[in-house]
Amino acid sequence: NAGVMQNPRHLVRRRGQEARLRCSPMKGHSHVYWYRQLPEEGLKFMVYLQKENIIDESGMPKERFSAEFPKEGPSILRIQQVVRGDSAAYFCASSPTGLAGGEQYFGPGTRLTVT
Amino acid sequence: GQQVMQIPQYQHVQEGEDFTTYCNSSTTLSNIQWYKQRPGGHPVFLIQLVKSGEVKKQKRLTFQFGEAKKNSSLHITATQTTDVGTYFCAGYMDSNYQLIWGAGTKLIIKP
Repeated sequence: NAGVMQNPRHLVRRRGQEARLRCSPMKGHSHVYWYRQLPEEGLKFMVYLQKENIIDESGMPKERFSAEFPKEGPSILRIQQVVRGDSAAYFCASSPTGLAGGEQYFGPGTRLTVT
Repeated sequence: GQQVMQIPQYQHVQEGEDFTTYCNSSTTLSNIQWYKQRPGGHPVFLIQLVKSGEVKKQKRLTFQFGEAKKNSSLHITATQTTDVGTYFCAGYMDSNYQLIWGAGTKLIIKP
């Protein structure tokens, strides 16, 4: 059973470009969470999605950031017009249940560098 | 806002010494989870504590959840080089989907 997959693992973008980060949850998991991690810091919740629905996007900036989890295919975190401050590791996690208290399984992360 | 404070930020130990990290929440937690992240890696789930005063052990690791469900600790006995990494606590507030993460404690083994 493959774990959570994320691609690309490393992404370099110039300021003003768009970044698309993909996440395929574990088989059988329909709940996906995106987190952002700056060096030497903890994880900051961004958004929680179920298939075709955004459940909680309270941690995601209202501008330039969007997320989706279509019926078919991976979840996508999209950052438009990237700025240097967007440089971070972005982790996706999945769980079989969306109830508070479930274990979350993390992908390897995408390290975004904005030059 | 809701916060989980974790201390210390770093702990340097000699191999064989013990290690402890502490988490404190500003509000009551419905449960708390602990994760380990190796350098350059991703968080890996270690354990979940749900009950007030709960204590769980995994070999050399002991996890505690406070009586008021506002604090938790992780203690490692006789550290080994394989224990190196950053240990995070993360808690769920009642009726909330968000895991609120501590900033992590980095365990460093002195050469």
